[in-house]
Amino acid sequence: GIQVEQSPPDLILQEGANSTLRCNFSDSVNNLQWFHQNPWGQLINLFYIPSGTKQNGRLSATTVATERYSLLYISSSQTTDSGVYFCAVDPGANSKLTFGKGITLSVRP
Amino acid sequence: DTAVSQTPKYLVTQMGNDKSIKCEQNLGHDTMYWYKQDSKKFLKIMFSYNNKELIINETVPNRFSPKSPDKAHLNLHINSLELGDSAVYFCASSQDHAPQPYNEQFFGPGTRLTVL
Repeated sequence: GIQVEQSPPDLILQEGANSTLRCNFSDSVNNLQWFHQNPWGQLINLFYIPSGTKQNGRLSATTVATERYSLLYISSSQTTDSGVYFCAVDPGANSKLTFGKGITLSVRP
Repeated sequence: DTAVSQTPKYLVTQMGNDKSIKCEQNLGHDTMYWYKQDSKKFLKIMFSYNNKELIINETVPNRFSPKSPDKAHLNLHINSLELGDSAVYFCASSQDHAPQPYNEQFFGPGTRLTVL
């Protein structure tokens, strides 16, 4: 099956810093989603981005489908950005998301 | 106006018991899913249903049985619970028909199951 690798596994930032989270995948995809799992365990949809670039406030994401990677940018980080960021992909028509292991982000005040 | 809801939020039970988790979505989506998140936070698909029909059945013990009474509901029944079943179970749904993005998945709040 498709492989999804996220890096770095852990990230510690001072409030106000910027960061880039990476997701590599091993096959072409027709769905790629970024999620934030907050400290209460909720999975929050950040981006649906099988290709191209999107921005939502301080967050933006870019997927280069031909090179099989996606990047999530967080600018001016806040303590509420802490949690685990997951990349998940679906390579085919059966809508089965395969998740990466996640990136644990801690933003310190 | 919760989009995907699950009950209960927490479930603590003894080994050997049978329990159910319920999921409902009010998004009008055609496909619903169950995912399991283990203690290392790894998320893995278990099942998916499209319009009440089982589409995906991953390698899951047959003690786990999903049931979809209608396309807005997908329940998960677990027989003879084992310690290793302790996890967070997430329900999700996706539209799976036009317009785009038809296959974006939306997740419920999760059910934390603890088997003692």
